[in-house]
Amino acid sequence: GENVEQHPSTLSVQEGDSAVIKCTYSDSASNYFPWYKQELGKRPQLIIDIRSNVGEKKDQRIAVTLNKTAKHFSLHITETQPEDSAVYFCATGGSNYKLTFGKGTLLTVNP
Amino acid sequence: NAGVTQTPKFQVLKTGQSMTLQCAQDMNHEYMSWYRQDPGMGLRLIHYSVGAGITDQGEVPNGYNVSRSTTEDFPLRLLSAAPSQTSVYFCASSYRGDVYNEQFFGPGTRLTVL
Repeated sequence: GENVEQHPSTLSVQEGDSAVIKCTYSDSASNYFPWYKQELGKRPQLIIDIRSNVGEKKDQRIAVTLNKTAKHFSLHITETQPEDSAVYFCATGGSNYKLTFGKGTLLTVNP
Repeated sequence: NAGVTQTPKFQVLKTGQSMTLQCAQDMNHEYMSWYRQDPGMGLRLIHYSVGAGITDQGEVPNGYNVSRSTTEDFPLRLLSAAPSQTSVYFCASSYRGDVYNEQFFGPGTRLTVL
């Protein structure tokens, strides 16, 4: 089955800095790549997603880039704020109705 | 709309007991799924359903059963609880009958098996 590796597992940045989280996957059939944010004690919520026919997608301070050849995709958060502190999960979706999640990155933004 | 709801919020079981975790959505979503979340393990898919009457196994289905008799409800049954099933369980749903759109998660059920 699909294997998704996510790095780093923890990331600490100063407010205003950028944060980058990277995921690699194994199944070349994967064609959907969402990112979810989970605040402490809350449910995961979608923040951005990208499909395999697009190389990059941006939404205000958040962007996702995809390299299908190398089988990796990354989440970029610019001008980080304390409210960006959370656990971030990448995931992949293929043709079999299943999402496979990475193990998560705990992002801490220090004021 | 209430969105995706789950009951109970917390549950403590003894080894060998059975129980059902309830999940309901009022958004007329076709796709529903169950995940378990363990520290350092991310979210792992237990079972999913692409519509009423259709269910299939995910990554970690052993020890769990599901059914989908209506579009709205997708209960998860633990047949004989084991300490390894201690986890936080999330139900999720999405509009289309596939994963290529936003998954809406419920608030979660924290289960402890003694």
